[in-house]
Amino acid sequence: QVRLVQSGAEVKKPGASVKVSCKTSGYTFPRYALHWVRQAPGQGLEWMAYFKIGNGNTKYSPKFQGRISIIEDISATTIYMELSSLRSEDTAVYYCAREIDITIFGIFSVWGEGTTVTVSS
Amino acid sequence: EIVMTQSPATLAVSPGERVTLSCRASQSVSRNIAWYQQKPGQPPRLLIYDVSTRATGIPARFSGSGSGTEFTLTISSLQSEDFAVYYCQRYNNWPPPFGGGTKVEIK
Repeated sequence: QVRLVQSGAEVKKPGASVKVSCKTSGYTFPRYALHWVRQAPGQGLEWMAYFKIGNGNTKYSPKFQGRISIIEDISATTIYMELSSLRSEDTAVYYCAREIDITIFGIFSVWGEGTTVTVSS
Repeated sequence: EIVMTQSPATLAVSPGERVTLSCRASQSVSRNIAWYQQKPGQPPRLLIYDVSTRATGIPARFSGSGSGTEFTLTISSLQSEDFAVYYCQRYNNWPPPFGGGTKVEIK
């Protein structure tokens, strides 16, 4: 069974950074790319980033360029997304999601449960 | 950058009714459209991709259609578990934008 398990909720002050993990299981880790999508309270889905396991190829939404980074730990089949210079508008649920197929960019067939990040002074 | 627009924002429907949700792209997206369902407190769930291909385990009452810039998700007979928010999404390009969502609520 394919699973994505994310780290727990975080509360951060404005200007700080947050690091969210996404532990994968049930499939060959390097085979599929992973994405990050966030959802502010009561709002829709916002795509943030793409990360290809193994070669570190990344694509970031221009909105987050310069503030976001993603790293992998292949032995732990886990990726980590770090968002810096947090502001109140970054308060959201952050999801990692796996692509349905290695040849198609951006169809998300498996999702993590989400990590709530609250930015408040 | 392509913008996806969904309508209506909210739809009040009775169980058993047929539901049609619309999604419009600001430019042609070929067949690269997916639909997701999201219930409160849960992550989104993939329903449809390639305009009309149901994802694994999705009931046949969900169907998709359209081409170019206009797309539709139809639920043939709404069940109680279908009350949720539905998002369309363009994929196979960067960035892969989502529509703003349509909330299907009980009438």
